[in-house]
Amino acid sequence: ETGVTQTPRHLVMGMTNKKSLKCEQHLGHNAMYWYKQSAKKPLELMFVYSLEERVENNSVPSRFSPECPNSSHLFLHLHTLQPEDSALYLCASSQVGLAGAYEQYFGPGTRLTVT
Amino acid sequence: AQSVTQLDSQVPVFEEAPVELRCNYSSSVSVYLFWYVQYPNQGLQLLLKYLSGSTLVKGINGFEAEFNKSQTSFHLRKPSVHISDTAEYFCAVTEKGFQKLVFGTGTRLLVSP
Repeated sequence: ETGVTQTPRHLVMGMTNKKSLKCEQHLGHNAMYWYKQSAKKPLELMFVYSLEERVENNSVPSRFSPECPNSSHLFLHLHTLQPEDSALYLCASSQVGLAGAYEQYFGPGTRLTVT
Repeated sequence: AQSVTQLDSQVPVFEEAPVELRCNYSSSVSVYLFWYVQYPNQGLQLLLKYLSGSTLVKGINGFEAEFNKSQTSFHLRKPSVHISDTAEYFCAVTEKGFQKLVFGTGTRLLVSP
C-alpha cells in the first residue's frame, strides 16, 4: 500500500448505529487530519493530530470521536449520527517541522450516508 | 487570520484552450501555497506547491502557478487543457509555523470538446 488509505470507501448507517472509519498513512508523516466535505460547502477541518496528540478540535459534535493510536493510524468513531452528517470524510497526513506543516496528502475518502 | 478566495465557482472552457483559475489569499505573514485537484468520488491530489524560491512553480499534468506577493495571488494556469482535466480545483494556504491548511471553496473546471 502506498500513500494514504481509507476504509471503508462507502458506508451506510442508521442513526442508532456505531461505526468507525479507518485511515492509514504509509508516508512516515507525523501529523494526521480528518476533514468533512459536504456538497456545496467548503472543506471543513475536524481534527488535527500531531505526534499522536490532538492539537485541534474544531467544535465538532461529540458524536464524532477521533482516535490516533500511533503516527500511522487514525480512526473516526461514529455514533448516533444525524442525516446532516452524510458527507465525504477525508483523511490526510503531513510532515510537521519547526517551520510548520508542509503539503498534506489525502486519502480517497469514505462516502458516508446516514439514513 | 488567513483566508483563501476562489472567485470563480465554475470555469467552462473548450479542449485545447488555455485556462486560468484564480486564487487570492489574505495573510499578514509568510505563507506556503498549494493547489489540489479532486476528481469525482476521489480524495484531493496535490498539483503543485509554493514554499519559497522561484515564484513560478510547475506541477503535474502540465499545470503551473505564479506566486504574486504584492497582489496576494496564486493563480493556476494551463496552456492547453484536455477533457481529462475536468475536475474540482482547490487553492490552499498555510502560514509558516502553523499546522493546518485553509482551503478555498473550489473551482469546477469543465472542459468540453
